[in-house]
Amino acid sequence: AQSVTQPDIHITVSEGASLELRCNYSYGATPYLFWYVQSPGQGLQLLLKYFSGDTLVQGIKGFEAEFKRSQSSFNLRKPSVHWSDAAEYFCAVRPGDKLIFGTGTRLQVFP
Amino acid sequence: KAGVTQTPRYLIKTRGQQVTLSCSPISGHRSVSWYQQTPGQGLQFLFEYFSETQRNKGNFPGRFSGRQFSNSRSEMNVSTLELGDSALYLCASRSSNNSPLHFGNGTRLTVT
Repeated sequence: AQSVTQPDIHITVSEGASLELRCNYSYGATPYLFWYVQSPGQGLQLLLKYFSGDTLVQGIKGFEAEFKRSQSSFNLRKPSVHWSDAAEYFCAVRPGDKLIFGTGTRLQVFP
Repeated sequence: KAGVTQTPRYLIKTRGQQVTLSCSPISGHRSVSWYQQTPGQGLQFLFEYFSETQRNKGNFPGRFSGRQFSNSRSEMNVSTLELGDSALYLCASRSSNNSPLHFGNGTRLTVT
């Protein structure tokens, strides 16, 4: 069955530090992959997506993600975190018409 | 362009009652999906509608139903509410099969 694993439930970083959020998926073919961000009381905002082509994809707010087929991973990165990046981040795979989400990683940013 | 709009933002209902949630997709988007978000189960797919037809359905009981109108607006109905139905219900729309989902801010349902 298709699944998404985000192994880190909670990550704390200092403002200005680099960030990497991990995401592993289980799917037989090349999936469509997404990262979404959710601020408290809000819906989900799309950060970036991978459908095909270049395995390094750029998103909004300075985020990027790299698709690694050999590792079944789609990790999210940002070189310098801002306090406003504090939120919950969800990785998702779309094997058909529905999205399968990971359990999310809550990011806390210290000044 | 306006985003996905969900109404109401908050609802409080009593066990046994029924509730209807509304979603207006982004203009031009014909596909509307619904997701339930709870602390215990995370984000789970409810169903997707396209051109007034349910195209896909998640693993939820028949108490959960939906429909889509000719203007692509969608409603979700939950009958005989249970305490466990308390959740954030998110609606999302997309313009085509190869497009990402765009989510609304959700309706927070509390069942007492």
